[in-house]
Amino acid sequence: NAGVTQTPKFRVLKTGQSMTLLCAQDMNHEYMYWYRQDPGMGLRLIHYSVGEGTTAKGEVPDGYNVSRLKKQNFLLGLESAAPSQTSVYFCASRIAGAVYEQYFGPGTRLTVT
Amino acid sequence: GNSVTQMEGPVTLSEEAFLTINCTYTATGYPSLFWYVQYPGEGLQLLLKATKADDKGSNKGFEATYRKETTSFHLEKGSVQVSDSAVYFCALTSDSGGYQKVTFGTGTKLQVIP
Repeated sequence: NAGVTQTPKFRVLKTGQSMTLLCAQDMNHEYMYWYRQDPGMGLRLIHYSVGEGTTAKGEVPDGYNVSRLKKQNFLLGLESAAPSQTSVYFCASRIAGAVYEQYFGPGTRLTVT
Repeated sequence: GNSVTQMEGPVTLSEEAFLTINCTYTATGYPSLFWYVQYPGEGLQLLLKATKADDKGSNKGFEATYRKETTSFHLEKGSVQVSDSAVYFCALTSDSGGYQKVTFGTGTKLQVIP
């Protein structure tokens, strides 16, 4: 099993450009999540999904969109990148139910100039 | 709503010292509690968990006991190594209030010096 993978690992964008981050998991998990991690601020939830075809907003959804067309994939889109979106982005997945832990991807480091 | 409070870091210890990282929580229902570890340049990975009161989670010499009466889940290790240098996150999920989401603490950075 590859677990949770993220593509790309690094990216530099200019302000106003768009991009899509891809998260894939091969564990058949129902729930998937996108977080951003900034220095001194821990993890902040952007969007999450509790199943194929469903998405929901987290704490900091503005400027991002997501889609979950297939159970194993969760895409995070930036339509018009801003310097404030410079961050490290993590995807995670888990089995439905309160007792189950999250599995995290290795992260995508995004810089917006 | 749910919340997790961790002690502020960074924590700097000498090798073989005793480690405690405090974690307290507020949650409705019956939460499950987790400690995650993040090594430099990597994603978070589960260190240990406890899913009901008085359970003790343990892994790699780390331990934490779910204390419902004090709403705490403190992380301990008897003798730290340089390789334990990382950021540690306390987290919870609850079966009420939307267990789909995971509530994280802000993380505590541990630096172990030889």
